[in-house]
Amino acid sequence: AQRVTQPEKLLSVFKGAPVELKCNYSYSGSPELFWYVQYSRQRLQLLLRHISRESIKGFTADLNKGETSFHLKKPFAQEEDSAMYYCALNGPGGGNKLTFGTGTQLKVEL
Amino acid sequence: EAEVAQSPRYKITEKSQAVAFWCDPISGHATLYWYRQILGQGPELLVQFQDESVVDDSQLPKDRFSAERLKGVDSTLKIQPAELGDSAMYLCASSPSGYEQFFGPGTRLTVL
Repeated sequence: AQRVTQPEKLLSVFKGAPVELKCNYSYSGSPELFWYVQYSRQRLQLLLRHISRESIKGFTADLNKGETSFHLKKPFAQEEDSAMYYCALNGPGGGNKLTFGTGTQLKVEL
Repeated sequence: EAEVAQSPRYKITEKSQAVAFWCDPISGHATLYWYRQILGQGPELLVQFQDESVVDDSQLPKDRFSAERLKGVDSTLKIQPAELGDSAMYLCASSPSGYEQFFGPGTRLTVL
């Protein structure tokens, strides 16, 4: 069965420090992975998709099939990055059905 | 900017009662999803619609949960009877048949 694991419930960093939110997955096929973000009092929204290879709000994520990881990174954290981050996997069977991880709360301190 | 609408935003009910949630997706979005999010966990898919047809309801507890999207636009999720373990956030999302899902604000259900 496919699974998404986010080992950290809470990650606290200082403003300007690098950020890495960890995500590991298990999936038998070719994975399609996403990061979704929920800012305080806002809706869950797409942050980035591994296929697009874009940098959104300074965040990047590289799919590492060997390590089955899709960690989210940003070189310099900003206060406005404080939010709940969810890693998600398309499946099972594709079809644009998302399997979410349990989420990591990122807190950026001044 | 178009958004997914959900109502009610909050619902408190007693166990064994019936509850219903409503979702209005973004206009033109063919795919609609219902997720359940228990506190401290990520959203879990309950049901996926493509237009008015159910694509996947494998995780929907069909003995008590039902979902419909009669005209392929808005959708209703019903629980009857509600149980204590049903307390959660119920999220609706829609997609224009691509990969990105657009989420509503959710309905927070508390079962007493």
